Amino acid sequence: EAGVTQSPTHLIKTRGQQATLRCSPISGHTSVYWYQQALGLGLQFLLWYDEGEERNRGNFPPRFSGRQFPNYSSELNVNALELEDSALYLCASSPGTGRVYEQYFGPGTRLTVT
Amino acid sequence: EDQVTQSPEALRLQEGESSSLNCSYTVSGLRGLFWYRQDPGKGPEFLFTLYSAGEEKEKERLKATLTKKESFLHITAPKPEDSATYLCAVQVLPGGTSYGKLTFGQGTILTVHP
Repeated sequence: EAGVTQSPTHLIKTRGQQATLRCSPISGHTSVYWYQQALGLGLQFLLWYDEGEERNRGNFPPRFSGRQFPNYSSELNVNALELEDSALYLCASSPGTGRVYEQYFGPGTRLTVT
Repeated sequence: EDQVTQSPEALRLQEGESSSLNCSYTVSGLRGLFWYRQDPGKGPEFLFTLYSAGEEKEKERLKATLTKKESFLHITAPKPEDSATYLCAVQVLPGGTSYGKLTFGQGTILTVHP
């Protein structure tokens, strides 16, 4: 069974530009989560999508946004990039229903803002 | 506010030297506590879910336990390939603003020397 996939693997942008990161969940999973892992700060929750709706968001500015498509894949958009947005962005998925709550992570997208 | 604290920050062991990692948590209502393993530059790999105090889970050389305030990850006779960062995370019950997300600790960096 294929795991969570993310693209691109690496992304280099200039301050002020926009970045788009993509995630495909495990087949059958309806929930997608986005986390930021900046150096020395640990994993911080960004966004949660389930059945196409945003269910919760973390303490990040509105320039971090995203969406979930009908096939449950998801996109994270970061506008007006700042140097401190440089981080590993991780996507995770879970079944969304039942008693299984584990979130399974993808390999991440390394975003570098120069 | 939900809090997760892991100790020690770093742990160096000789191959075969058993030890334990600690995860202390403060949450409004625990839905589940999760252990992950993360290798450098990769996404976290799911290890265990614990739901209630007294529960134990085992996988190869790893055993996770849970009390009402903390969880332990016991590593028995570790091997160099067990070297990684071990992350603890909590998820709270539905109804609050934290619902759905995982709140992570800072992790314990484990190094096992041959």
